[in-house]
Amino acid sequence: KAGVTQTPRYLIKTRGQQVTLSCSPISGHRSVSWYQQTPGQGLQFLFEYFSETQRNKGNFPGRFSGRQFSNSRSEMNVSTLELGDSALYLCASSLDGNNYGYTFGSGTRLTVV
Amino acid sequence: GQQVMQIPQYQHVQEGEDFTTYCNSSTTLSNIQWYKQRPGGHPVFLIQLVKSGEVKKQKRLTFQFGEAKKNSSLHITATQTTDVGTYFCAVKTAAGNKLTFGGGTRVLVKP
Repeated sequence: KAGVTQTPRYLIKTRGQQVTLSCSPISGHRSVSWYQQTPGQGLQFLFEYFSETQRNKGNFPGRFSGRQFSNSRSEMNVSTLELGDSALYLCASSLDGNNYGYTFGSGTRLTVV
Repeated sequence: GQQVMQIPQYQHVQEGEDFTTYCNSSTTLSNIQWYKQRPGGHPVFLIQLVKSGEVKKQKRLTFQFGEAKKNSSLHITATQTTDVGTYFCAVKTAAGNKLTFGGGTRVLVKP
């Protein structure tokens, strides 16, 4: 079966702009989580969605937001981009987010200039 | 907040040797997961441990959950070049569903 699909793979944006990243989870997976990965901070949890509801949220500013659609696809949005937002953004899906491991997508590499 | 420490941060291993990486939490865990990320890749799920003292094996990899459910270890025997990558533990506490990742152990194998 198809894995977790993230689009786009690469993105270059200018400071102050906004960006929307997309994630299509594995069919049947209802939990979708987003992570930011940087060399200095490692894997930082952004938020988790389950059945279109945000179930958990990490310690990121309000510029970072997300949503999940009825087909479990998810998007995350970052407004007013800062240089420090440059990172690999990873989406991960799980059957229920409780009893199973997560399958990660290949990520979106965001560069803010 | 949840603190998850992984040691060592880096592990240089001679091919054929064994090594162990450790994951320590400041709070009691409901479960712990292990992931492997190859250079340039994304994390790949290896295993989940739930029970106190649980031990699981996957070929040359042995995973253990501490009796107090605050720590875990991953032991790799007869290291191969295919073991190169960063190994992450990821934890959940009973207080929330958030999966928190440790800083990872980056493994380099010398042939």
